[in-house]
Amino acid sequence: QSALTQPASVSGSPGQSITISCTGTSNDVGSYNLVSWYQQPPGKAPKLMIYEVTKRPAGVSNRFSGSKSGNTASLTISGLQAEDEADYYCCSYVGTSTSYVFGTGTKVTVL
Amino acid sequence: QVQLQESGPGLVKPSGTLSLTCAVSGGSISSNNWWSWVRQPPGKGLEWIGEIFQTGTTNYNPSIKSRATILVDKSKNQFSLKLNSVTAADTAVYYCATTPCSTSSCETSAYWGQGTLVTVSS
Repeated sequence: QSALTQPASVSGSPGQSITISCTGTSNDVGSYNLVSWYQQPPGKAPKLMIYEVTKRPAGVSNRFSGSKSGNTASLTISGLQAEDEADYYCCSYVGTSTSYVFGTGTKVTVL
Repeated sequence: QVQLQESGPGLVKPSGTLSLTCAVSGGSISSNNWWSWVRQPPGKGLEWIGEIFQTGTTNYNPSIKSRATILVDKSKNQFSLKLNSVTAADTAVYYCATTPCSTSSCETSAYWGQGTLVTVSS
């Protein structure tokens, strides 16, 4: 199975909103509402930010939101803050192999 | 809150077997959770390896399935990963993670260990 496709980098100024896309296929993103998003600061473990496309775990800021249309899922960060600088990865369930696949990762830079 | 801690050799010889353990604290390995392994080669992205439920049911990444085995040890409240026939391409930080599930929802990989670097080299 191939990794989901994400832009290599996205940047924005403090206070702005940015959106990270995650493109898969009808075997994964397109067929299941089992897309999650992770934030990974340099040298640290990933942190769950969004699960099941739109749900936020307890303690995650409501500035983070998720959505999906067709084979593409998206993560939007509103009111961008310096602390949001990190790598972000999407992940989807793959029905044909009962497994999961991560995205290629996106580096978010706050200008 | 569940806490996870990986342990195992940091250096494995080519063609050998990589063996890691993930100790679970603050929760039971027999709870309604999936227990998984994810790895990240230096400077690269995340790769899902596989998962296990407390019943022993497993799912694996098709690209690794033939070499990987994930087991649960209920007596020690831990789970493990064995990866055989390793090469330099298996050099990575290995993370254990868990997905807690309710009756209607699962928080995919909500909790992670800190990760452990395993280098494959002679």
